[in-house]
Amino acid sequence: EADIYQTPRYLVIGTGKKITLECSQTMGHDKMYWYQQDPGMELHLIHYSYGVNSTEKGDLSSESTVSRIRTEHFPLTLESARPSHTSQYLCASSGGAGEKTNEQFFGPGTRLTVL
Amino acid sequence: SQKIEQNSEALNIQEGKTATLTCNYTNYSPAYLQWYRQDPGRGPVFLLLIRENEKEKRKERLKVTFDTTLKQSLFHITASQPADSATYLCALHSGGYQKVTFGTGTKLQVIP
Repeated sequence: EADIYQTPRYLVIGTGKKITLECSQTMGHDKMYWYQQDPGMELHLIHYSYGVNSTEKGDLSSESTVSRIRTEHFPLTLESARPSHTSQYLCASSGGAGEKTNEQFFGPGTRLTVL
Repeated sequence: SQKIEQNSEALNIQEGKTATLTCNYTNYSPAYLQWYRQDPGRGPVFLLLIRENEKEKRKERLKVTFDTTLKQSLFHITASQPADSATYLCALHSGGYQKVTFGTGTKLQVIP
């Protein structure tokens, strides 16, 4: 079992609310990622970080923002949730030595529903 | 633009047979290719990694091939079991600080 945690697992919220999805890992990985995935569809990278104070936008445009103040913590924030944000959000991390540095460990995901 | 293609249609096979899944890519020079398994409602789980200079990699009932000339990887599960039913994703990485890019995945159903 990978040591990467996401909270909450499920969230139902009204339009316009500000939300933060939490992601923490205890593996000391320097790289962390956020993906968005609709049921039965592909993973879309929305944010990534290669270390503390480093954040980049991914391939899919997202209205969310992220921060990386501590190595183990990579929260994602939506300032004003909309129904179009309804999706599953998956956090991942990677690290280690050699070729293992790019093996990604995924959290259990947060299923977000915006009414 | 970079593109990774996996069979979008589900693959149904009989228990005990070998399942073969395909991953094709274009406009990409990957240093590594990875395969992940994803069960419904859960995050992907890493299975195997193969480097560009490796032709084949094995792990228990799993075998991966990597042909950089054809720009293709094949993922085989021998003696398949119903518990192998899941979606399998291939992912490419160019090395260094490049991010991993995932394919769309192929859903495998092993019928008892």
